This record gives sequence, C-alpha cells and structure tokens, in this order.
Amino acid sequence: SQQGEEDPQALSIQEGENATMNCSYKTSINNLQWYRQNSGRGLVHLILIRSNEREKHSGRLRVTLDTSKKSSSLLITASRAADTASYFCATATQGGSEKLVFGKGTKLTVNP
Amino acid sequence: DGGITQSPKYLFRKEGQNVTLSCEQNLNHDAMYWYRQDPGQGLRLIYYSQIVNDFQKGDIAEGYSVSREKKESFPLTVTSAQKNPTAFYLCASSTLPGQGRNEQFFGPGTRLTVL
Repeated sequence: SQQGEEDPQALSIQEGENATMNCSYKTSINNLQWYRQNSGRGLVHLILIRSNEREKHSGRLRVTLDTSKKSSSLLITASRAADTASYFCATATQGGSEKLVFGKGTKLTVNP
Repeated sequence: DGGITQSPKYLFRKEGQNVTLSCEQNLNHDAMYWYRQDPGQGLRLIYYSQIVNDFQKGDIAEGYSVSREKKESFPLTVTSAQKNPTAFYLCASSTLPGQGRNEQFFGPGTRLTVL
C-alpha cells in the first residue's frame, strides 16, 4: 500500500529557479521523510520532519508539514543541474512501526 | 567506510530459476529491509527484519524468501514462484524506532532481468 502521493509527477525547471514538490498522505504519522534517487541508484535520505514540527531547513532544502491537511512540501532553492533526480516522500505511521511507506515520487529535471 | 552494499549490480535469471541477491551492512543497524521498484514507481516493501533470526512479510512477499542469520546480512531469494520478477531491488537498513531517528540507508540496488 502506498500512503504518500507526490505532486507533480514530473517537474522541469531552469537552473537557479526554485522547485517545489508536494506530498499528501492518508493516516496519522510519527514523521515524514524526503529521499532523493539519482537514475539507477539507491535512495539517499535528505530530511526528516517529525509530526510536531511545522518547518525544517537543511541547506537549500526547506520542508513544511501540515498535519491538519496531511500534506508536506519540499522546496529546493536556487536549483542546480546536479539536483536532477527523483524525489520521494516516505511516512512513518504512528504506533511505533519501523516501516516506511513511500510515494511514487516526483521526477525533477533542472536544465542548465 | 560505513555503508550498505548489494551484489550483484546486474543479474539475469532464466525462467524457473531461483536467484539470491546479497545485502550487507556495517552500520550496526538492527533493522533491514528489501524493496522492489518498478519503472516510474515508488518502492514496495517485500520483507523486513528487526533482529537476527526474525523477519516479517511486507506488502508483496509472495514469491520471495529471506533469511537473517547475521546482523550484517539480509539476503533475498527470488523464487520461481515470483511471476514477474524483473525489477530494481533495493536493500536498506536503519536503527529501530526506539533508538531515535528511523531514516533508512540504502544500498546501490540490484537490477534483475528475467530472460
């Protein structure tokens, strides 16, 4: 079962622009995580936001979480060609489950 | 270097064959996971393990088997009962939820193709 649904499915921007990706989920969560995947590679963890947090920053990344709307957004500022990748949100549900449920991802292309 | 490794990178299987994918980690993580990824799709959980000699089915366990004889190792066998095994397989590990953050660390993946 897939809980997170990313939007848009694909996004193409120019270098220097900001990229925003959204994630919606269905059940109550402990935390929400964003991962990046370069083509043909494994996923890399980017940032984790807990259910009692509303916003978190890490370098050029900004994540927001709205638990009332069951949604999160990932903002990449001043994008670079090297940011081209697929981005996935993953939710850890309440109840102490060690499992993450991944969405289908947003494919981001940053054109030089 | 601490990390998680998978082998082989590419694997070809004939119809009716069982194949085993290797996953090793030296991060001292208790939990390990196997996912399947199809083109343009997210990750689907096959099996996971929190402790040696114990593992649980994920969402798509049919046609797969695992073992966890050592903390560092979590091999996945794709059996002939798996009707559509061609996919990209990812192994991951993490600490347990009670130990703090549960972000997962991924291996580089194995691409399995059925001939």
